[in-house]
Amino acid sequence: DAKTTQPTSMDCAEGRAANLPCNHSTISGNEYVYWYRQIHSQGPQYIIHGLKNNETNEMASLIITEDRKSSTLILPHATLRDTAVYYCIVRVALFFSSGSARQLTFGSGTQLTVLP
Amino acid sequence: NAGVTQTPKFRVLKTGQSMTLLCAQDMNHEYMYWYRQDPGMGLRLIHYSVGEGTTAKGEVPDGYNVSRLKKQNFLLGLESAAPSQTSVYFCASSYRGGPPGGTDTQYFGPGTRLTVL
Repeated sequence: DAKTTQPTSMDCAEGRAANLPCNHSTISGNEYVYWYRQIHSQGPQYIIHGLKNNETNEMASLIITEDRKSSTLILPHATLRDTAVYYCIVRVALFFSSGSARQLTFGSGTQLTVLP
Repeated sequence: NAGVTQTPKFRVLKTGQSMTLLCAQDMNHEYMYWYRQDPGMGLRLIHYSVGEGTTAKGEVPDGYNVSRLKKQNFLLGLESAAPSQTSVYFCASSYRGGPPGGTDTQYFGPGTRLTVL
């Protein structure tokens, strides 16, 4: 799976948009970009994923550059409850074609702190 | 829907003791996984299951056993606990593992914090 680079920490004012960047310059054509987050002492939570096109759901938007070497997760109106570690993961499907599995590698992520 | 639930939430064991962690999901997912999370290590896959009655080893299976007797439940057993197994254990499930190049979204439980003394 491609390596990702994220800032260690970011702050955002409550009610403003939070833009979290991720660099994945070695991404290959069949690798998806996933975003998960982990609120302190809780299990990871899926946010969004995409391959080439920009994606939006009820939680966030994902903007992927045309060359796919970087992406940005956008939380349009951040709240205090969005304070968490955000993980950008670039990977193919969990399972190899042989059926064996590999882990979901979370890395160190970005600690987003939403300030009142 | 409760999603993915795990019991217990916390447990302290002595070296050599055994225990079973229970994971349950009510989303009718085929695939289930057990991970452990240690500081600075991210998540590591212990075992997984692609359906009722089937299990397979992940990245760090030693010292653990699993069973999937029912589709909605996935049990993780520690036969003889060791201090190195002190960790936070997460269970996850997904609708499917996804074909090569496809996608899968995993839904995680709240975790079990295990301390082995």
